[in-house]
Amino acid sequence: DTAVSQTPKYLVTQMGNDKSIKCEQNLGHDTMYWYKQDSKKFLKIMFSYNNKELIINETVPNRFSPKSPDKAHLNLHINSLELGDSAVYFCASSQDGQGGWKRYGYTFGSGTRLTVV
Amino acid sequence: GQQLNQSPQSMFIQEGEDVSMNCTSSSIFNTWLWYKQEPGEGPVLLIALYKAGELTSNGRLTAQFGITRKDSFLNISASIPSDVGIYFCAGPSYSGAGSYQLTFGKGTKLSVIP
Repeated sequence: DTAVSQTPKYLVTQMGNDKSIKCEQNLGHDTMYWYKQDSKKFLKIMFSYNNKELIINETVPNRFSPKSPDKAHLNLHINSLELGDSAVYFCASSQDGQGGWKRYGYTFGSGTRLTVV
Repeated sequence: GQQLNQSPQSMFIQEGEDVSMNCTSSSIFNTWLWYKQEPGEGPVLLIALYKAGELTSNGRLTAQFGITRKDSFLNISASIPSDVGIYFCAGPSYSGAGSYQLTFGKGTKLSVIP
């Protein structure tokens, strides 16, 4: 069973469109994240979310919004897509508390490659 | 937030050679994690380090937690083609407003020539 799964794997869309990427984790983790990996392969956190709070990286445009229907899902919605949004987007999850993410890090999905044309 | 500096940025090696890469920080880390990202996949945890001076192995991989707690090293012995990928160091760091997050280095891209 895949621990963190993302769909779709590839997404090609035109500028100005609105799109969503779905993420599900079956690890029972408390917190989920979205990362953006640019062409230089730098991993940049966009959001972290658990049932208590949403932490947004202040550099993320408000066209990006996370939506969490339940603890196991964190979807990423992107409005009015721009060329610069082209990147690979990774979902991740982690366990809070003692013996959690500070010891074992985050578990990542396999990524969604978004291409805006 | 804190930044992690990885070096080298990329390396090309012959199959069978040993590889060494490192990660440094301007501030202290209590945990060092090493991830590998293969093409088309997400990062996967390889090794976790928790104590200054700690040396931990995972097969042909060996990682060390620096004594100063500001650096870590990853060595790969007798490299093989499947070692190709990007290796990231990471550690929990304070991100402000009482929150912590996992901070990643910019990665070392490893290419292995058969």
